[in-house]
Amino acid sequence: DAGVIQSPRHEVTEMGQEVTLRCKPISGHNSLFWYRQTMMRGLELLIYFNNNVPIDDSGMPEDRFSAKMPNASFSTLKIQPSEPRDSAVYFCASKTGTSVAETQYFGPGTRLLVL
Amino acid sequence: KQEVTQIPAALSVPEGENLVLNCSFTDSAIYNLQWFRQDPGKGLTSLLLIQSSQREQTSGRLNASLDKSSGRSTLYIAASQPGDSATYLCAVRSGGGADGLTFGKGTHLIIQP
Repeated sequence: DAGVIQSPRHEVTEMGQEVTLRCKPISGHNSLFWYRQTMMRGLELLIYFNNNVPIDDSGMPEDRFSAKMPNASFSTLKIQPSEPRDSAVYFCASKTGTSVAETQYFGPGTRLLVL
Repeated sequence: KQEVTQIPAALSVPEGENLVLNCSFTDSAIYNLQWFRQDPGKGLTSLLLIQSSQREQTSGRLNASLDKSSGRSTLYIAASQPGDSATYLCAVRSGGGADGLTFGKGTHLIIQP
């Protein structure tokens, strides 16, 4: 199994540009999570999907952030327009089922730098 | 709102020592608590998951305990090795049907050879 796949691994962009981060969950997993990690705030949940449906987006910081999951094998997190304070590592994770015994499997992350 | 705190923020010990990492959380209504390991520039790897009905879990040299009523968990690492050097993150899945995790800021561990 290839694990959770994220692309790109690194992204450098200028303020005001649109940024799209991509995630392919582990095959057969029906829950997908987007997290953001910064030195100041640590790891924070942005949004998660169950069976491609957004369940909780209360962690999405602003309307500039949007996430979609058009099918079970692909999700995007978009920032438009990007700002320097969006610089962080963005992680995608997936898991199967909702059992309390299930763990989340994390991708390697996308390191975003907004200049 | 659930808050997770990890103490200490950083720890450096000689190889071979046994050590304890601490985690506390403010809302005891949780489904489970997990310990993750994060290596520099990498994603997170799950080490141990303790369900709310359990008191501890063990994997090799690692032992994690959970005291839900007091809002505390510890991760015990026996006979530490340089390869254990990493950041260790504690995370809770809170009750109320939510499925996302709330993380502490981690303990950065260095094992000196």
